[in-house]
Amino acid sequence: EAQVTQNPRYLITVTGKKLTVTCSQNMNHEYMSWYRQDPGLGLRQIYYSMNVEVTDKGDVPEGYKVSRKEKRNFPLILESPSPNQTSLYFCASSLGTPVEQYFGPGTRLTVT
Amino acid sequence: AQSVAQPEDQVNVAEGNPLTVKCTYSVSGNPYLFWYVQYPNRGLQFLLKYITGDNLVKGSYGFEAEFNKSQTSFHLKKPSALVSDSALYFCAVRAYFGNEKLTFGTGTRLTIIP
Repeated sequence: EAQVTQNPRYLITVTGKKLTVTCSQNMNHEYMSWYRQDPGLGLRQIYYSMNVEVTDKGDVPEGYKVSRKEKRNFPLILESPSPNQTSLYFCASSLGTPVEQYFGPGTRLTVT
Repeated sequence: AQSVAQPEDQVNVAEGNPLTVKCTYSVSGNPYLFWYVQYPNRGLQFLLKYITGDNLVKGSYGFEAEFNKSQTSFHLKKPSALVSDSALYFCAVRAYFGNEKLTFGTGTRLTIIP
């Protein structure tokens, strides 16, 4: 089944403790992206990647890192999480950008 | 900088009536435009897109959207609403030329009243 998977689905952590949210897709898509969803703010793009070793900042990259060493994986790294990064995070992939993106199920992160 | 405005946080429509969810955009040059839907506790699902060509775009579940360049709008429509259409709807834009950044609106919660 074609899908985007994210792990973990739920995470509660403390300020400053490094964490990684994994994202994997099995559709051989070139384009992958991370978003955060906050009430009243909609979805905001954090980082995106056009292909392996090619990443670029979205609208809200501060406090996040990404890497794209393999085509199928695009992990999101929070090296020193803060409470303002409490949010619902979505990973997405597509063959490019003027085409539809496939979204993962989301990761709900709480930073205390 | 590109942006998307969804002026209505909430839209209520009676079942069987036509529905419209509004979206306006700002981007340099021509746009790529998208509509996505989010059901409770789910990720976003693609509904339809405008790339070029016919201004009326048809998508999934009977939805359609009309691209209006002069008004920089891309409103989502459906002739007859179903209760199952109740969800959160997002409009998104990407510039035709330039970087691959995709910008979403803040979302509109559509409630269909039986």
